[in-house]
Amino acid sequence: QVQLVESGGGLVKPGGSLRLSCAASGFTFSDYYMSWIRQAPGKGLAWVSYISSGGNIVYYADSVKGRFTISRDNTKNSLYLQMNSLRAEDTAVYYCARGPSPDPWGQGTLVTVSS
Amino acid sequence: EIVLTQSPGTLSLSPGERVTLSCRASETVSSNYLAWYQQKPGQAPRLLIYGASSRATGIPDRFSGSGSGTDFTLTISRLEPEDFAVYYCQQYGSSPLYTFGQGTKLEIK
Repeated sequence: QVQLVESGGGLVKPGGSLRLSCAASGFTFSDYYMSWIRQAPGKGLAWVSYISSGGNIVYYADSVKGRFTISRDNTKNSLYLQMNSLRAEDTAVYYCARGPSPDPWGQGTLVTVSS
Repeated sequence: EIVLTQSPGTLSLSPGERVTLSCRASETVSSNYLAWYQQKPGQAPRLLIYGASSRATGIPDRFSGSGSGTDFTLTISRLEPEDFAVYYCQQYGSSPLYTFGQGTKLEIK
């Protein structure tokens, strides 16, 4: 079945970096836009970034532009999010999801930015 | 950027009741590209409705979506105990700035 599995979250100090990965299976990964969406503790959902099926079109929310980089490797059915210059307000569960009306979503990986 | 406003913020209802959740957009949602999600504590969101009124795969028919332009609704015809959760609307017609509403919490009365 269609499955998305995130990894790479953890505790990092302000100003630090982290790379999230999302392994996709059960569908033709290279056919789909993919997204990263986050949810701060006790808060709602916020779009972070998306990337087109071929990787040539990317979008970033203003809050992460210039600090985060989305990428994909269609040969490995994998999506990535390189996060640099992390701030406390980046603390959240990060979900990878398929498509513009995301379905399905991965289980999420928690990123905590704290000294 | 299209802002989505959901109302009410919280609803307290009993199993068996009918409920309608509202999602209002600050401008017209292109092609009715409006989706609804359900999120339970500790779980990822699940797609319920896309294209304003099409049920996603495996979603029970007690869930229905309607609306167009700037006003959209999600109706649950008869609440089951497993339906108590947070519901989000999302527009994906205004690229690249896809946006979510702030959510409506449905709690057991």
